[in-house]
Amino acid sequence: AQSVTQLGSHVSVSEGALVLLRCNYSSSVPPYLFWYVQYPNQGLQLLLKYTTGATLVKGINGFEAEFKKSETSFHLTKPSAHMSDAAEYFCAVNDRDDKIIFGKGTRLHILP
Amino acid sequence: EPEVTQTPSHQVTQMGQEVILRCVPISNHLYFYWYRQILGQKVEFLVSFYNNEISEKSEIFDDQFSVERPDGSNFTLKIRSTKLEDSAMYFCASSKQGWSSYEQYFGPGTRLTVT
Repeated sequence: AQSVTQLGSHVSVSEGALVLLRCNYSSSVPPYLFWYVQYPNQGLQLLLKYTTGATLVKGINGFEAEFKKSETSFHLTKPSAHMSDAAEYFCAVNDRDDKIIFGKGTRLHILP
Repeated sequence: EPEVTQTPSHQVTQMGQEVILRCVPISNHLYFYWYRQILGQKVEFLVSFYNNEISEKSEIFDDQFSVERPDGSNFTLKIRSTKLEDSAMYFCASSKQGWSSYEQYFGPGTRLTVT
């Protein structure tokens, strides 16, 4: 069965610093992987996705993630954090059926 | 940009009461979903719906739950007799195709509080 583990329920970085949010997954088939972002009082917005092909995927707002099969990881990065990046981030996996399996989420805090 | 909408944003109900959560998916989407997130826990899949039928459901989606597309635009989740543990944020989502379209678009959620 597929599952997603996000390391760290809260991550704090200084404005301008590197953002790294960790995600590991387990899946019985080559997975589709996603990062979603949730701003306060809003729905889940897709940041980026990996399906097939290039393992480094770029998303909106300067975020990117790299699929590493050997490490079963799909960590999210952004070179320089912005105050507007403060939100909750969810890693998710789809095993080619209807449901998306989410991680518990990581709340990103940006320090001025 | 088209978006999924949900009403109400917050619903308070007493234990044992029926509640209906409403969603308006994106107009040309064919697949519809409900997820829920209990406070402090993961977002969990409840059910998917296509062609007026449930296509997949989780073990959470028991006989207390039902879904319906009563007209061409709304998609509803009904909980027949609410329990305290049904208190959660409920998200509706829609996609143009099934899993092969990869992307499900989520609404802002309805916070259900059962007292």
